[in-house]
Amino acid sequence: SQQGEEDPQALSIQEGENATMNCSYKTSINNLQWYRQNSGRGLVHLILIRSNEREKHSGRLRVTLDTSKKSSSLLITASRAADTASYFCATDAMDSNYQLIWGAGTKLIIKP
Amino acid sequence: EAEVAQSPRYKITEKSQAVAFWCDPISGHATLYWYRQILGQGPELLVQFQDESVVDDSQLPKDRFSAERLKGVDSTLKIQPAELGDSAMYLCASSRTGNNSPLHFGNGTRLTVT
Repeated sequence: SQQGEEDPQALSIQEGENATMNCSYKTSINNLQWYRQNSGRGLVHLILIRSNEREKHSGRLRVTLDTSKKSSSLLITASRAADTASYFCATDAMDSNYQLIWGAGTKLIIKP
Repeated sequence: EAEVAQSPRYKITEKSQAVAFWCDPISGHATLYWYRQILGQGPELLVQFQDESVVDDSQLPKDRFSAERLKGVDSTLKIQPAELGDSAMYLCASSRTGNNSPLHFGNGTRLTVT
């Protein structure tokens, strides 16, 4: 079963613009993670935010978490062609023995 | 940086044949995962190991799939017999023990069943 739902399903923007992706989930969590997947490759961990954190930064990435709304957003600033990939959120649901549950991903295309 | 190794990278097989995938996790990572990913979807957990023990195989189709991690290091996932619906990317990941440990993925095996 998939708890996380990303939106939009696909996003196409011009290089240099900011990209925002959202993730919603259903049950209480311990933490939420974001991963990137280039076409035909494995997933790469980007950032982990704990349930008691509201915002976290890593380079051009900014992640927010709103536990009251059960949602998170990933912002990529000053996008580059190399950011073209699919982005997934994963949550460790407390009622699933902390097993990671994945969304279906947002496919991001950066146009040069 | 150390990587999770998977082989083969691609596999084409006919239905009813047996296939096997191999994974070597990052050294020191006690937790190993096998995921299946259908194009356009998120990963679906098949089996999770803690050292050599299975922690979760609730989503593993046990009539045809098997997985082992005999010495608690590398792991093999087998499908016998393969079905058309098994065509997917099979991803292996490893992590240190603990809920806040990120997963490190290999580049997967792309399986095509004809």
